[in-house]
Amino acid sequence: GEDVEQSLFLSVREGDSSVINCTYTDSSSTYLYWYKQEPGAGLQLLTYIFSNMDMKQDQRLTVLLNKKDKHLSLRIADTQTGDSAIYFCAEKVNNNDMRFGAGTRLTVKP
Amino acid sequence: ETGVTQTPRHLVMGMTNKKSLKCEQHLGHNAMYWYKQSAKKPLELMFVYSLEERVENNSVPSRFSPECPNSSHLFLHLHTLQPEDSALYLCASSRTGTSGGEQFFGPGTRLTVL
Repeated sequence: GEDVEQSLFLSVREGDSSVINCTYTDSSSTYLYWYKQEPGAGLQLLTYIFSNMDMKQDQRLTVLLNKKDKHLSLRIADTQTGDSAIYFCAEKVNNNDMRFGAGTRLTVKP
Repeated sequence: ETGVTQTPRHLVMGMTNKKSLKCEQHLGHNAMYWYKQSAKKPLELMFVYSLEERVENNSVPSRFSPECPNSSHLFLHLHTLQPEDSALYLCASSRTGTSGGEQFFGPGTRLTVL
């Protein structure tokens, strides 16, 4: 399909791990991104992964990439209430274009 | 702070009004973007300017008119909007030709059309 697909909602308890999944559209996409949007704010780049990698870790964040299935995931370890936000998956389509998913709203319960 | 600012942060306008949204980037980027964000929908790319020239217009109605006077500033002129145009309008910038080319976003303008 032509849409980057994500689940709309995810709820976890504080201290648990969160896993947000994404299916992207173009197997030739060179970069894949995760953005975070807090209420009333724009999108903040969290991390990105180059398509020749299958994993990238940055502190509490782990990105996994399965190119064969066009599947991208973001794992947040030890999730905190401050991690509550909307998380967007995006793929770089060409030099200027990025294609975004609809976003996954993560709710962290105390 | 991402280095991209937008004004105003909130705007309420009637369908007959004319208003403009402003975006400014302080990152030395050479490409700027307007996106529309509506609830539960993917971000919709509206316009792309690269090196101050419009390179993409994704079938956006003519009631939205972009202007990019230089590489640091981007405007979105609005006139005779419809209530369904109410949304969060996000500006972004990037440096094209670099390895990541990731876009940096402003905080957005929340637009309500009455």
